[in-house]
Amino acid sequence: GENVEQHPSTLSVQEGDSAVIKCTYSDSASNYFPWYKQELGKRPQLIIDIRSNVGEKKDQRIAVTLNKTAKHFSLHITETQPEDSAVYFCAASRRQGQNFVFGPGTRLSVLP
Amino acid sequence: GAGVSQSPSNKVTEKGKDVELRCDPISGHTALYWYRQRLGQGLEFLIYFQGNSAPDKSGLPSDRFSAERTGESVSTLTIQRTQQEDSAVYLCASSLDQARTYGYTFGSGTRLTVV
Repeated sequence: GENVEQHPSTLSVQEGDSAVIKCTYSDSASNYFPWYKQELGKRPQLIIDIRSNVGEKKDQRIAVTLNKTAKHFSLHITETQPEDSAVYFCAASRRQGQNFVFGPGTRLSVLP
Repeated sequence: GAGVSQSPSNKVTEKGKDVELRCDPISGHTALYWYRQRLGQGLEFLIYFQGNSAPDKSGLPSDRFSAERTGESVSTLTIQRTQQEDSAVYLCASSLDQARTYGYTFGSGTRLTVV
């Protein structure tokens, strides 16, 4: 089955700097890759996603890149702000109707 | 409804008791998922319902766990003879058709504490 790894497990950056979180997946048939942000005590919320026919997608300060050959995808946050502090989960979905397999999460702390 | 609704928001139960958790998905969402999240941990898949198809129960950790869904509406997750290791937040999510197309919307979760 699908296995999703995520690095780093924790990340601290200064406000205004960039943050990058990387995920790898094992199933070459996976073709949809969402990212979720979970603030302390709250539900995970979808922030951006990418499909396998696209190499990069950007939405304001966040972007996701996908390398299908290497089976990895990354989340990039630029000009980080304290409200970006949260746990970020990547996920992969390998086939129609299948549930997501989530990575273990990255705790991002943006220091003022 | 406007979002995925879960009840109760918090549940404290004694070891050995049965509990029932409820999820009310977004109206029209055919797919419904249950996940478990232990304190400080990731999202552990439990079970997936898609329309009238047989559910994917591959994530249920033991036969003490079961879930039902009536049509494309409410789902209940039942944990029998609860154990302390069942303590976690149980998250429900729904999506329009397949998640690979539309992504999940999560509920706020039920925090279960087994004492």
